[in-house]
Amino acid sequence: EVQLVESGGGLVQPGGSLRLSCAASRFTFSSYAMSWVRQAPGKGLEWVSGISASGGTTYYADSVKGRFTISRDNSKNTLYLQMNSLRAEDTALYYCAKGTGTAARKPSDSWGQGTLVTVSS
Amino acid sequence: QSALTQPASVSGSPGQSITISCTGTSSDVGGYNYVSWYQQHPGKAPKLMIYDVSDRPSGVSNRFSGSKSGNTASLTISGLQAEDEADYYCSSYTSSSTVFGTGTQVTVL
Repeated sequence: EVQLVESGGGLVQPGGSLRLSCAASRFTFSSYAMSWVRQAPGKGLEWVSGISASGGTTYYADSVKGRFTISRDNSKNTLYLQMNSLRAEDTALYYCAKGTGTAARKPSDSWGQGTLVTVSS
Repeated sequence: QSALTQPASVSGSPGQSITISCTGTSSDVGGYNYVSWYQQHPGKAPKLMIYDVSDRPSGVSNRFSGSKSGNTASLTISGLQAEDEADYYCSSYTSSSTVFGTGTQVTVL
């Protein structure tokens, strides 16, 4: 069974930075697109970013474009999300999700349990 | 990138069928056959139920079906069961990203 384990969340001040990681196992990581999806407390899902299997294609939601960077290291089976200039509205549970194919915006058929990011002074 | 519009809640009795709508625009739902549906139980990660408008991943019950007409996609749950009580989210490609719906809480009466 696919395993995705997120880490790196925590409390950060507005304007600060965090780097989330997602360790993947039990599937061929380099063959699948990956995504980050977030969910603010008590709210709905918000797609954040997606990356193709090779890492050559990336997409971002308008709300994070220019502040967040998605990347992957296929040699380490790890997905990353570098988050800069954080705002209170970025507070959410951040999920790492595996795509159904190689293209960057494929639907997500496996999800981690999430890592909580809290932006507050 | 406005969220797709879903009804806040839908309810039905066990054994009944319910349908959840997901309304977008020609720039998302209407422009691509890439609509997905996710089920989320409280405190749990989402689960993919439908992709590419009407395809079901292996292991998902055939009681779940998807369709699309114009700018509106729909998820139908037939033979409603207690375990179907959850939040449901649609999602769609856009020209440069992906967008989720506002979410629908399904209650089994």
